[in-house]
Amino acid sequence: SYVLTQPPSVSVAPGQTARITCGGDNIGGKSVHWYQQKPGQAPVVVVYDDSDRPEGIPERLSGSNSGNTATLTISRVEAGDEADYYCQVWDRGTDHYVFGSGTKVTVL
Amino acid sequence: AQLVQSGAEVKKPGASVKVSCEGSGFTFGNYGFNWVRQAPGQGLEWMGRITVYNGNTRYAQKFHDRITVTTDASRNVVHMELRSLKSEDTAMYFCARDGTQYDSGSYLGYWGQGTLVTVSS
Repeated sequence: SYVLTQPPSVSVAPGQTARITCGGDNIGGKSVHWYQQKPGQAPVVVVYDDSDRPEGIPERLSGSNSGNTATLTISRVEAGDEADYYCQVWDRGTDHYVFGSGTKVTVL
Repeated sequence: AQLVQSGAEVKKPGASVKVSCEGSGFTFGNYGFNWVRQAPGQGLEWMGRITVYNGNTRYAQKFHDRITVTTDASRNVVHMELRSLKSEDTAMYFCARDGTQYDSGSYLGYWGQGTLVTVSS
């Protein structure tokens, strides 16, 4: 089965840039989606199809995808960005959805 | 668009649970719906999905012999039944609608509020 690998945690100071990686075999050939989950809440999609943002998601959150790594970048980090972030793809071969293990972003 | 799930459940090991998810504010029959669970302190785990427009279902290998996802399109409801429950099935269960219509590989655009299922003797 297809595996997505994320770092368990990322720490960043306010105003700086956080980069969250999502590794997978030739992930650049798939569409990657990113979800933000705050404690006690359901996940919310923040980036879809590698780099598109849903309405209401600030431009500070952006995505890229190439080769074996997809990246979610949070620029000018704010306290409200503190959350768990998950990447997700659709594995065409199995017609299954796959989530990464999640990355906890801590704002120092 | 809104998804509203049924309430919390407490079950004994070996029992079954059926969680419901009612959609509103969109054309229910044009979408696929997924079930995702999250054990306490753990990450998201995709369990399975149903595409209402053609009735197709897909299940994660881990659950394929214990899970059934169905829909009552006349009532805009999707159900997920999990059988032979174990303590490890204690988790929050979310339904999530595809972000785009008629798209098997869509992102998950709308989520329900979650249903806590507790399995304990």
